[in-house]
Amino acid sequence: NAGVTQTPKFQVLKTGQSMTLQCAQDMNHEYMSWYRQDPGMGLRLIHYSVGAGITDQGEVPNGYNVSRSTTEDFPLRLLSAAPSQTSVYFCASRGRGNTGELFFGEGSRLTVL
Amino acid sequence: GQNIDQPTEMTATEGAIVQINCTYQTSGFNGLFWYQQHAGEAPTFLSYNVLDGLEEKGRFSSFLSRSKGYSYLLLKELQMKDSASYLCASRNQAGTALIFGKGTTLSVSS
Repeated sequence: NAGVTQTPKFQVLKTGQSMTLQCAQDMNHEYMSWYRQDPGMGLRLIHYSVGAGITDQGEVPNGYNVSRSTTEDFPLRLLSAAPSQTSVYFCASRGRGNTGELFFGEGSRLTVL
Repeated sequence: GQNIDQPTEMTATEGAIVQINCTYQTSGFNGLFWYQQHAGEAPTFLSYNVLDGLEEKGRFSSFLSRSKGYSYLLLKELQMKDSASYLCASRNQAGTALIFGKGTTLSVSS
């Protein structure tokens, strides 16, 4: 039971570099989201998707792009990394139904120098 | 918009009972959630309330008052392993994503 898989788990970037955080889920969930977590700030929603081909902005979308070409995958792209994007990133998914239980990946720790 | 408030830190001793409060302001209520997050790990789901009242799950219970915009998580018979952050969250207005509060770090001592 893989659940939600995020890669990489750790990454160090230089300012201005680009990279993609991968997220895949094998539960056939319609909804997927990306959060970042910083000390004292809790989880903040970056982007989310309610199904393949549909994405929307969350609370802190600037500097990030997403796409949802398949139900399984929801990659997060940093086009030009900045030190302010140093954070722990969590991908999460949930199925239809009212409980709204989110299943989280293990997180990706990104450091931008 | 949405605004979720909860205390930053709480401390308690083993065997005690602790109540973690959460107040929320949302335009269109779609449910209130509690998650637990141990240091260095991903959050895990604890409870969901959409109607007023108390939901009990073993040592953990969650309460909701929609008219007051208020919820609490009650932890009984505290154990050392309950030391964690507890995150209150509500759905966004469209009901498509969860918005989290900043979390309450609970430290349980012996």
